[in-house]
Amino acid sequence: GESVGLHLPTLSVQEGDNSIINCAYSNSASDYFIWYKQESGKGPQFIIDIRSNMDKRQGQRVTVLLNKTVKHLSLQIAATQPGDSAVYFCAETEYSGGGADGLTFGKGTHLIIQP
Amino acid sequence: SQTIHQWPATLVQPVGSPLSLECTVEGTSNPNLYWYRQAAGRGLQLLFYSVGIGQISSEVPQNLSASRPQDRQFILSSKKLLLSDSGFYLCAWRGWDRDEKLFFGSGTQLSVL
Repeated sequence: GESVGLHLPTLSVQEGDNSIINCAYSNSASDYFIWYKQESGKGPQFIIDIRSNMDKRQGQRVTVLLNKTVKHLSLQIAATQPGDSAVYFCAETEYSGGGADGLTFGKGTHLIIQP
Repeated sequence: SQTIHQWPATLVQPVGSPLSLECTVEGTSNPNLYWYRQAAGRGLQLLFYSVGIGQISSEVPQNLSASRPQDRQFILSSKKLLLSDSGFYLCAWRGWDRDEKLFFGSGTQLSVL
């Protein structure tokens, strides 16, 4: 079936710089996207989400951009901090009206913060 | 507020032994419940999901089974573990008022030796 993938398995950035993590999806019917952060040995934590009727959504130090034309999703983290070191997953799904199919996850990008 | 509990955090089991991982959710009713498996350095693979008591859907053929004996309890089991069952197992829930967002437990690291 269709799946969500990531461009880079590892991203290394300097502390204080901005980070951009990319994600490509192939299901053109997907209309809901989520970014999760997973620290070592822990479960994924929700960061931010976006619906397909939006191009951009901002949170605290994070911004998600959605380009439906090329089926591309990105997560921008401003002023990266050591605590941002983690694996970041994008996930997508079609709105199911409360159905139970769950999310399709990408393989993840490991963000490494250099001091 | 809603919380999800998953245990044990770490488990080492010999090949051929049984398995029982438990997950419970508090603060919500009639959640959708999920079991995912994550191999080292890999993404999340959906194993089972449940929309209600006694209702289990399996996503992939495997050596594992799931049960939902109570509304907020989800159990992952195996009668005889295989080496390939090793991995990080995650329970997750979704409520009807939370769109499609999943909320994950802290995970169980299972090593089958």
